Amino acid sequence: GENVEQHPSTLSVQEGDSAVIKCTYSDSASNYFPWYKQELGKGPQLIIDIRSNVGEKKDQRIAVTLNKTAKHFSLHITETQPEDSAVYFCAALYMDSNYQLIWGAGTKLIIKP
Amino acid sequence: NAGVMQNPRHLVRRRGQEARLRCSPMKGHSHVYWYRQLPEEGLKFMVYLQKENIIDESGMPKERFSAEFPKEGPSILRIQQVVRGDSAAYFCASSPVGEQYFGPGTRLTVT
Repeated sequence: GENVEQHPSTLSVQEGDSAVIKCTYSDSASNYFPWYKQELGKGPQLIIDIRSNVGEKKDQRIAVTLNKTAKHFSLHITETQPEDSAVYFCAALYMDSNYQLIWGAGTKLIIKP
Repeated sequence: NAGVMQNPRHLVRRRGQEARLRCSPMKGHSHVYWYRQLPEEGLKFMVYLQKENIIDESGMPKERFSAEFPKEGPSILRIQQVVRGDSAAYFCASSPVGEQYFGPGTRLTVT
């Protein structure tokens, strides 16, 4: 069935350094890939998304890249800050699943001061 | 435009009681998804509804759990005869089509 794999499960980086989280998906028909940030005790928040007609999208310190040939997409956070500490989830939209999102397992990002 | 609303935020039930979790989607959104999340774990899909229709309930346990999204009013996730294993955070998300916007969740504790 459809699957989204996310790596790493935990990522610890020094404040100010960059963080990269990668996801791969199985259905080549997917055309929408969002990223969510979940802080402790809160619901997931959509932070950036990308559609299959572009290869990269940026919003201030965060960016997402998409490689459709290889079926993977990545979240890049530059100049990390303590408030970036959270769990990040990737997802892919599957047309055959009634337009449902298939979710990665999450990455716990820890920013070390 | 108000975000997705969920209530209650915290719910404590004794074993055997019923739990009712409510979700009001964002204005104009006709798709609602329910997820369950255990501590330190990912989101587990439960059910996808449109107004008055269940589209996909493949993630919902066959017994004790039910969901509805009536023509008027919020979506309801109902858990009958709760057990300790039902303790979790339950999130709903609403969507126009595709992107999903999450509510703050209901934390259910079964004692």
